Amino acid sequence: QKEVEQDPGPLSVPEGAIVSLNCTYSNSAFQYFMWYRQYSRKGPELLMYTYSSGNKEDGRFTAQVDKSSKYISLFIRDSQPSDSATYLCAMSARPLAAGNKLTFGGGTRVLVKP
Amino acid sequence: SQTIHQWPATLVQPVGSPLSLECTVEGTSNPNLYWYRQAAGRGLQLLFYSVGIGQISSEVPQNLSASRPQDRQFILSSKKLLLSDSGFYLCAWSIQSAGNTIYFGEGSWLTVV
Repeated sequence: QKEVEQDPGPLSVPEGAIVSLNCTYSNSAFQYFMWYRQYSRKGPELLMYTYSSGNKEDGRFTAQVDKSSKYISLFIRDSQPSDSATYLCAMSARPLAAGNKLTFGGGTRVLVKP
Repeated sequence: SQTIHQWPATLVQPVGSPLSLECTVEGTSNPNLYWYRQAAGRGLQLLFYSVGIGQISSEVPQNLSASRPQDRQFILSSKKLLLSDSGFYLCAWSIQSAGNTIYFGEGSWLTVV
């Protein structure tokens, strides 16, 4: 079993719909959570960063962390065709200083149709 | 602001040939540096990370090696490429002292033929 599970998709939604993405994880020590967006043939770019549990909102993006269920989510409101990309979740138990590392999900491919 | 440069962007190499991918970071000092590989349709695999000049940790036994000759320079190498080395290679960095996120370069597409 992978430490971080993420549905590969593709997830197809009409323009303007809410995109709902999630990851489940098995390591209860994870407390730093990130979402990255990766366009085709490009490097991932950081979208959202959350520490511990709770919600965080940034424009059209909302990240949620439920540590009791070991479940994180990313919501994209008013989706646009430019949101079509692969979304990767990532997490770690400790800060990245001193060689600690991120664990990534496999990514969910999202298609927003005009 | 910090930027990361990675090159070459694309390369096609024959089996058995050497490889050198280079990455530099600007606008920060003493970063943690990483090399990841992303095979087609698969997740990110951490290959190497470095917390300082000359300090390299390998995550996966393989045909590749990494070096950090300068504070903000990270190089991925191979003496003899295999077909299985094909993939998308990503350099990344994080803040040494307190960073909790990593930032990726644009990546290098390697096709071994």
